[in-house]
Amino acid sequence: KNEVEQSPQNLTAQEGEFITINCSYSVGISALHWLQQHPGGGIVSLFMLSSGKKKHGRLIATINIQEKHSSLHITASHPRDSAVYICAAAFFYTGNQFYFGTGTSLTVIP
Amino acid sequence: ETGVTQSPTHLIKTRGQQVTLRCSSQSGHNTVSWYQQALGQGPQFIFQYYREEENGRGNFPPRFSGLQFPNYSSELNVNALELDDSALYLCASSFLTVVGTDTQYFGPGTRLTVL
Repeated sequence: KNEVEQSPQNLTAQEGEFITINCSYSVGISALHWLQQHPGGGIVSLFMLSSGKKKHGRLIATINIQEKHSSLHITASHPRDSAVYICAAAFFYTGNQFYFGTGTSLTVIP
Repeated sequence: ETGVTQSPTHLIKTRGQQVTLRCSSQSGHNTVSWYQQALGQGPQFIFQYYREEENGRGNFPPRFSGLQFPNYSSELNVNALELDDSALYLCASSFLTVVGTDTQYFGPGTRLTVL
């Protein structure tokens, strides 16, 4: 069974806090996406990674293949970071088809 | 802006009707994937098209069908609409190679309501 789980489901933080969102998956993957979805539906791809770590501005994504776990970190959080963050995994035996977690709803309070 | 567009933005249909949703991929992308996102849920994979042929399908019945055209546009067709088909439908385009898929670029979605 393909399974992508995220935690927490909901997260409220004060502006400036360091935020971590976790994603775990059940079997080997070829790639993992971190996505951001704002109210209204638009989805933006933040990172795609298959190993190690990637950084873009205040966002950092890491993946541990052995532990089947990935994290998305936001440093110095800002109210404009408020969105739903979704991880999606392409499992080896599903080819290039991505399976999505249910998302983490982040609210950053000024 | 991802360069991926979808139409229409919103659509209201009644149960039993048929609907066609459209997606224009980013230029140069050979792969388009369609997803259904119910309220409060993560997107669910419907199917993927690669070079105009279906390249994988999720757990959706045959009344969900698709097409991909040489000009990078694609369609999602749903026949015999059911109330549970009400959702946000997202398409994502990417470039698939023998090594694997590149980053997926999502369109803004079509919100379908079935009454």
